[in-house]
Amino acid sequence: DAMVIQNPRYQVTQFGKPVTLSCSQTLNHNVMYWYQQKSSQAPKLLFHYYDKDFNNEADTPDNFQSRRPNTSFCFLDIRSPGLGDAAMYLCATKRGRLSTRDRVDSSFGAGTRLSVL
Amino acid sequence: QQPVQSPQAVILREGEDAVINCSSSKALYSVHWYRQKHGEAPVFLMILLKGGEQKGHEKISASFNEKKQQSSLYLTASQLSYSGTYFCGTHILGPGTSYGKLTFGQGTILTVHP
Repeated sequence: DAMVIQNPRYQVTQFGKPVTLSCSQTLNHNVMYWYQQKSSQAPKLLFHYYDKDFNNEADTPDNFQSRRPNTSFCFLDIRSPGLGDAAMYLCATKRGRLSTRDRVDSSFGAGTRLSVL
Repeated sequence: QQPVQSPQAVILREGEDAVINCSSSKALYSVHWYRQKHGEAPVFLMILLKGGEQKGHEKISASFNEKKQQSSLYLTASQLSYSGTYFCGTHILGPGTSYGKLTFGQGTILTVHP
């Protein structure tokens, strides 16, 4: 089945040690999003791509970077993780065109749970 | 810019009904509804695109009032499997774009007891 795959599911890193989370999709969706979700909170948008067009949220820390080398892959780089960056990181994809005819408009990956020691 | 959901939490007995509301201060192009179970990723339920549109998925349906910038999710004859946190996602168009960004409400925790 077409899906959104995030690797790894669990990531443990040390304070200040760079870490990269990956996301791949077989849906051929134009839009890819990275969200940060902390316990009992809503997913918070960090940035998103429409194809190669990058859009950064104003309150996303400079510590967070993203790359999208092609349609299928998107990476989240955390240059110097702090304790406050421990969270679930969700990748989501979305069709570029809005339509209610398709059963699935957007899909989330299973998430990567990041722990910072 | 984040949509506002109400109520924050709902506790039901199996078979009871519930309504979850979502409202935005900005003009909406679409509303998305998701359900998230503890420790899992959100699962897409449905998207509503047009003002006045109503959709259904099993015993879960939703409406979208574009003029009032509101959407409601209706859960009928709730089942134990309906338990989870429900998020509305609102899709606001940016200038010159046809896709916008998807921003989530704070979530409504639904608990269904036997």
